[in-house]
Parts: sequence; structure tokens; C-alpha cells
Amino acid sequence: DVKVTQSSRYLVKRTGEKVFLECVQDMDHENMFWYRQDPGLGLRLIYFSYDVKMKEKGDIPEGYSVSREKKERFSLILESASTNQTSMYLCASSFGGANEKLFFGSGTQLSVL
Amino acid sequence: QKEVEQDPGPLSVPEGAIVSLNCTYSNSAFQYFMWYRQYSRKGPELLMYTYSSGNKEDGRFTAQVDKSSKYISLFIRDSQPSDSATYLCAMKRYAGGTSYGKLTFGQGTILTVHP
Repeated sequence: DVKVTQSSRYLVKRTGEKVFLECVQDMDHENMFWYRQDPGLGLRLIYFSYDVKMKEKGDIPEGYSVSREKKERFSLILESASTNQTSMYLCASSFGGANEKLFFGSGTQLSVL
Repeated sequence: QKEVEQDPGPLSVPEGAIVSLNCTYSNSAFQYFMWYRQYSRKGPELLMYTYSSGNKEDGRFTAQVDKSSKYISLFIRDSQPSDSATYLCAMKRYAGGTSYGKLTFGQGTILTVHP
């Protein structure tokens, strides 16, 4: 089975801190994604990557950056965390293609105080 | 206006009921339609996938797409308590040779099936 592993299940940070969210997938997938999930808003795409060292902005990239140095690992970085970044963060990966299937991790619930 | 609208519910039904979950969308460029199921404290998992208008059945689940009305539905027959979850519709354009899986999700509908 494909496994997408997110490093932390719960995370509490202070305003202004630099935050790293890590994601690793074990199926040699080309594509990796970071979404955030908020009540009433569903999942919104922050950034995605279709190859090592390649990245594209999603719908809400402001306040975030990403890093993909290795194919299996995709990191989301909050340079200076703010309270409005309190959310559930979901990482996903996929092979690619028109009818691709996204495989999600279990999520990281981030609270910024 | 959101590109994809989904009634957030919550929806509470008795075991054995037929459940209907719906999404409307505004962008006619969407060609691929999916339903994801998300259990509490888990990530979403793909439940159904359809392309073009029509019906697709998988066990107790039927996905329906009506492109002319920009409307998709998921029907669950003989609903079970184990179906209690959040259901998310998702849609995707097909951008020529590139297909990076950039999905647009609905807000999700919380479903509870009680015994």
C-alpha cells in the first residue's frame, strides 16, 4: 500500500516562529502536494511539485514556501507563523496522468498561538 | 463565488437509508470528477472517480455526473454506520500534456449514519 507519512500529528507554535512540516512518500510518485483544510472551506491547494526541485504555487501560497530536494520528501515552510495559519495541513502524492489518484497523509493539526 | 459548491450538512440518517450527496460547479473546463471519503483524524481517500456525464456504480456507491447542469452526485444505498465520514467532491481540468493533479475540492459534507 502507498504510504504518505507526515512527521507530526499535532504541532503548537508561537507567532513569528519558523515552522517546518515534513512529508515523505514511499511509492516513487512524481507529484506531491500540500493542502490546508479549514471548516467550511474544504481543501485548498498551497503548493505542489511535479519533480525534484520543481514547485508551483497553488491557490493560497502567501506566507508559505516549499522544498523538494529528494523525490520522496516534500516540506512545507511557514517563514513566520501567524495565527491565521492555524489549520489542518494535508500532504498528498500521485503518479500523474489524467485520472490520477491522490494519496493523502493523515494530516498535521497546527496551532499558532 | 466558489468554483465548487457543496452542502456542508451535517447530514444524519438512520442505518439502511439512501444518502444523496451533491456538488455544483461553475467552470465547464472540469472534466474529471471524484469523491473522496475522510474519516475522523485521517486524510481523504479516493472513493469514486468518473469522467464525462453518466453513472458509475461500485457496490453500494453510485456516482452521477450531469455536465449540462454542472452537477454531480454520490448516492449511498443501504447506508451503514461505517459510512459515517466527511465526503468531499473534487474536480480537475485536463491541461493538455500536463496533469499535475491540481484538484478543486468542495467544502465537504459531514455524514452520520446512526444504528
